Amino acid sequence: ETGVTQTPRHLVMGMTNKKSLKCEQHLGHNAMYWYKQSAKKPLELMFVYNFKEQTENNSVPSRFSPECPNSSHLFLHLHTLQPEDSALYLCASSRRAQGQGANTGELFFGEGSRLTVL
Amino acid sequence: SQQGEEDPQALSIQEGENATMNCSYKTSINNLQWYRQNSGRGLVHLILIRSNEREKHSGRLRVTLDTSKKSSSLLITASRAADTASYFCATEEYALNFGKGTSLLVTP
Repeated sequence: ETGVTQTPRHLVMGMTNKKSLKCEQHLGHNAMYWYKQSAKKPLELMFVYNFKEQTENNSVPSRFSPECPNSSHLFLHLHTLQPEDSALYLCASSRRAQGQGANTGELFFGEGSRLTVL
Repeated sequence: SQQGEEDPQALSIQEGENATMNCSYKTSINNLQWYRQNSGRGLVHLILIRSNEREKHSGRLRVTLDTSKKSSSLLITASRAADTASYFCATEEYALNFGKGTSLLVTP
C-alpha cells in the first residue's frame, strides 16, 4: 500500500467511448502526476499538477484531459482514444517545494490503470 | 526531455549472485533516483543519491554516482528470486523522467 490509489485497475473501451481514470493520494502531498507506460518505451510524463495548478503538459493530445479538483485527487478524462493509447497509466504524487526549479522529491506511485482501446 | 538510459536492457542471474545495472544521463542533475517495478504494478522508490554524493547504501543495495561521466550504477548484492523486477533510474527536468529500465530475472 503506497498511499496512492488508482481506479479502475483495468478498463476496456471503444474508440468512441468517454471514460475517466481516478487517482487519490492520502499522503498529504502537494504535487500529482500522470505517466503513460507502453511496452518497450520509456515511461512518458503526461501531466504535472503542483498545488492544484497544471504546470506541465508534455505535448499530450487533447483526447486526454486532466482534472485536479484538489491536492488529493487527480482525474484523467478520456475520449475518442486510439488503439495506440492502450497502455498502463500511472499516477504518482510527491511533496514538492514551491518555486521554480524545486525538486520533485520521491515519487509515490499507484498500481496503475491498464487501459485497452479496441 | 532528458531521461536516463539503463544498461543492460535485460539481465538474468542466479540467486546469490550480484546484479549490476547502469544508468547514463545527458545533462546536469541535482539528484538521481532508482525505482523498481514488479510486472504490471506501480513503481516503488528505492534510493535517491544527490549530486554531491558518490555512493549510497540501503540494505543490499549500493548506488554510485559519477557526475563527471554522467553515470550511475545500482548494485544488488546476494540477489533473491524476489528481486525479479524492472529497475529504472530517473533524473529531473522539472519532473522526473525515466528510461526504459533494466529487466532483472533472478532464478532459484
